[in-house]
Amino acid sequence: NAGVTQTPKFQVLKTGQSMTLQCAQDMNHNSMYWYRQDPGMGLRLIYYSASEGTTDKGEVPNGYNVSRLNKREFSLRLESAAPSQTSVYFCASRDRDLQPQHFGDGTRLSIL
Amino acid sequence: QKEVEQNSGPLSVPEGAIASLNCTYSDRGSQSFFWYRQYSGKSPELIMSIYSNGDKEDGRFTAQLNKASQYVSLLIRDSQPSDSATYLCAVGVTGGGNKLTFGTGTQLKVEL
Repeated sequence: NAGVTQTPKFQVLKTGQSMTLQCAQDMNHNSMYWYRQDPGMGLRLIYYSASEGTTDKGEVPNGYNVSRLNKREFSLRLESAAPSQTSVYFCASRDRDLQPQHFGDGTRLSIL
Repeated sequence: QKEVEQNSGPLSVPEGAIASLNCTYSDRGSQSFFWYRQYSGKSPELIMSIYSNGDKEDGRFTAQLNKASQYVSLLIRDSQPSDSATYLCAVGVTGGGNKLTFGTGTQLKVEL
């Protein structure tokens, strides 16, 4: 009963390095989301995919790219990491409109 | 900018008391409302969903919705130390993408 699985759980990068955060859900949900959470800022939407084959920018998309690989998987890529991207990243999925989102355990990312 | 406002707290209540958490929202067309609990270092966990005006009860939790006044609240009866967490209010965004807007959360401390 995995739900939403994120990998890795922790990562330390140097400024300028790139990496991809992986997210997979096994609930056959249509929509998937990437958030970042910083102290005092709440959850801020980076990118989302309303359905397989579509992606759209959220509130804070700069410095990130996404890929909806298939219905299960939605990845987030940092092309050139910056210290301002140090954060906790959460992936979430949702079946359809009016339903709640379900969250993965998060990835704690530090950029030095 | 569609907003969700919460008092950041901390809200301190004695064990066994009723904790009352409040949330206001700006999008008058919103149709779905959720309360998530987030323990320190963990991911948000759904505890209540509400869609219609009035009260919805689930165990010790009661969600209240007033669309005319644009507020939603969460009551926790017989508060326990294990209820100490940050509570996030989330509101469904009208329009495309099945998005939610999150408040910054209210920190609840239940004291022995």
